[in-house]
Amino acid sequence: NAGVTQTPKFQVLKTGQSMTLQCAQDMNHNSMYWYRQDPGMGLRLIYYSASEGTTDKGEVPNGYNVSRLNKREFSLRLESAAPSQTSVYFCASGESRFSYNEQFFGPGTRLTVL
Amino acid sequence: GNSVTQMEGPVTLSEEAFLTINCTYTATGYPSLFWYVQYPGEGLQLLLKATKADDKGSNKGFEATYRKETTSFHLEKGSVQVSDSAVYFCALSVSRSNYQLIWGAGTKLIIKP
Repeated sequence: NAGVTQTPKFQVLKTGQSMTLQCAQDMNHNSMYWYRQDPGMGLRLIYYSASEGTTDKGEVPNGYNVSRLNKREFSLRLESAAPSQTSVYFCASGESRFSYNEQFFGPGTRLTVL
Repeated sequence: GNSVTQMEGPVTLSEEAFLTINCTYTATGYPSLFWYVQYPGEGLQLLLKATKADDKGSNKGFEATYRKETTSFHLEKGSVQVSDSAVYFCALSVSRSNYQLIWGAGTKLIIKP
């Protein structure tokens, strides 16, 4: 049982390059989330998918796109990377039907945009 | 709206000291409350939670009580260890937010031997 896995763990991009962050979960959760974590700012929600086939914007969606490929996988794409997107990105999954359900996090992807 | 406020860090303590990290919230409806912990270089993991007023969550020697009258969920531990050094996040979840988690900014805890 791997939980939530993310690839890659580290990535360096040049401004304007594109890339896709991959996330998969094996807990049969309906909901999946992408966050970014910046120093002093806690976690900010980029996009989420409440269930397979749906995606919605979070607090900071600009510059990102997502795809809920199937129930297990939820990818985050940066079409044209900018230095402001330098951050640590976390994927999470959970059951959103009840307020007491926790979210489970992956180990994160540390992205640097030069 | 819904929000979470945590005490600013870093909090620096000596080993075996008593720990309190303050967390207060505003929420519409009846939130569930959570404490997550992030060890260096890792993702977040749930430390404890409480789902209704006066509930006490506990795990690994940490405790927090859901206080509706003061809208607080302070994290406490009686005797901290060096291994408790981490960033601690308070969060809430309410039905009207599609059960998304609303996060505090995090409090970095440093324990010195």
